[in-house]
Amino acid sequence: NAGVMQNPRHLVRRRGQEARLRCSPMKGHSHVYWYRQLPEEGLKFMVYLQKENIIDESGMPKERFSAEFPKEGPSILRIQQVVRGDSAAYFCASSPPTSGGRPFFGPGTRLTVL
Amino acid sequence: AQSVTQLGSHVSVSEGALVLLRCNYSSSVPPYLFWYVQYPNQGLQLLLKYTSAATLVKGINGFEAEFKKSETSFHLTKPSAHMSDAAEYFCAVSENTGFQKLVFGTGTRLLVSP
Repeated sequence: NAGVMQNPRHLVRRRGQEARLRCSPMKGHSHVYWYRQLPEEGLKFMVYLQKENIIDESGMPKERFSAEFPKEGPSILRIQQVVRGDSAAYFCASSPPTSGGRPFFGPGTRLTVL
Repeated sequence: AQSVTQLGSHVSVSEGALVLLRCNYSSSVPPYLFWYVQYPNQGLQLLLKYTSAATLVKGINGFEAEFKKSETSFHLTKPSAHMSDAAEYFCAVSENTGFQKLVFGTGTRLLVSP
């Protein structure tokens, strides 16, 4: 059983471009979480999604950031018009549909904005 | 609001020595506490969790942590370090046993020398 997969592992963008980060949850997992780790900081919760639903987006910046988890395919974290402050490691985690099922984390995507 | 403080961004020990990684938390409700480990280029892996049962929690790879309410601490220990323990360790807190929104510390990098 493959773990949580994230791609790309490293992404370089210039200011103003768009970044799309993908997360494929583990087989059978229907819950996805995105966390961001800024340099020298801990991981910070961004958003919690179930298939086709955003459950909690309290950690998402108000502008430029969006997330989706479609019925088919991976979850996507999209950052429009990136700025240098968006440079960070973005981690995805997934968990099974049972209540309180612990999440499994992916290896992260390191975004660098030039 | 919940928060976690990990003292020491780097801890160095010799192989065979005691490992002690410190974590203090702040929570307005009885907390649920977790330790995660991240090996290079991998996702976070759950080491152990405290969910208000026994205050001494045993985890994988010989690690354990003790919940001390009076000290608001949840320090991670291992009696004898192995070279393979070299990794980054994160303490996290949640308001409930669910994992939907974890608050992480900034991490401690454990270095093990021969």
